[in-house]
Amino acid sequence: QVQLVESGGGVVQPGGSLRLSCAASGFTFSSYGMHWVRQAPGKGLEWVAVIANDGNAKVYADSVKGRFTISRDNSHNTLSLQMNSLRVEDTAVYYCAKEANWGSWYHDLWGRGTLVTVSS
Amino acid sequence: DIQMTQSPSTLSASVGDRVTITCRASQSISNWLAWYQQKSGKAPKLLIYKASSLESGVPSRFSGSGSGTEFTLTISSLQPDDFATYYCQYYNHYSTFGQGTKLEIK
Repeated sequence: QVQLVESGGGVVQPGGSLRLSCAASGFTFSSYGMHWVRQAPGKGLEWVAVIANDGNAKVYADSVKGRFTISRDNSHNTLSLQMNSLRVEDTAVYYCAKEANWGSWYHDLWGRGTLVTVSS
Repeated sequence: DIQMTQSPSTLSASVGDRVTITCRASQSISNWLAWYQQKSGKAPKLLIYKASSLESGVPSRFSGSGSGTEFTLTISSLQPDDFATYYCQYYNHYSTFGQGTKLEIK
């Protein structure tokens, strides 16, 4: 079954850390770039980060640069997002998303999302 | 940075109507544009890529057009399942989404 399943969300205090994971199945994970996209409650979609299929290239949105780190483990078909120095404005549902074609940053497969709440 | 602006923010329509949503880019983006549908509490679903290419499995009543800075998503005859929020996305070695258009039942 072709799917992405996120985990690791929860409630964290401002300044804290959290690590999100995304388990991929049903497709050749190592052939595709992977992204994180987030959505604050009641708001629109915001792209967060991308990692190339081989893990060698990573790009971040300015809003998370220096605080978040994207990584992947192709041997275990897993995508991760390490989030440090969390802020209230990072509160959102975080989706992992697959590139539809190599190098094309649009997404034909999304996970259901995991909610991150940053609150004191 | 390239900004994407959708209009209208909210659109009220009836089943059977033809509706059009517009997405404007702050500078030319060629045809690097995708459209998504999102229902409440669900992940987005890809409808259109490369401005006018219909994703496999998406009904033919959905169509996209445009290039450069102005793009449209058209639904030729609204069905009950189409009431949702729609987003455009610019995606050429960067990614930015429009703010969304909520399609409501009139």
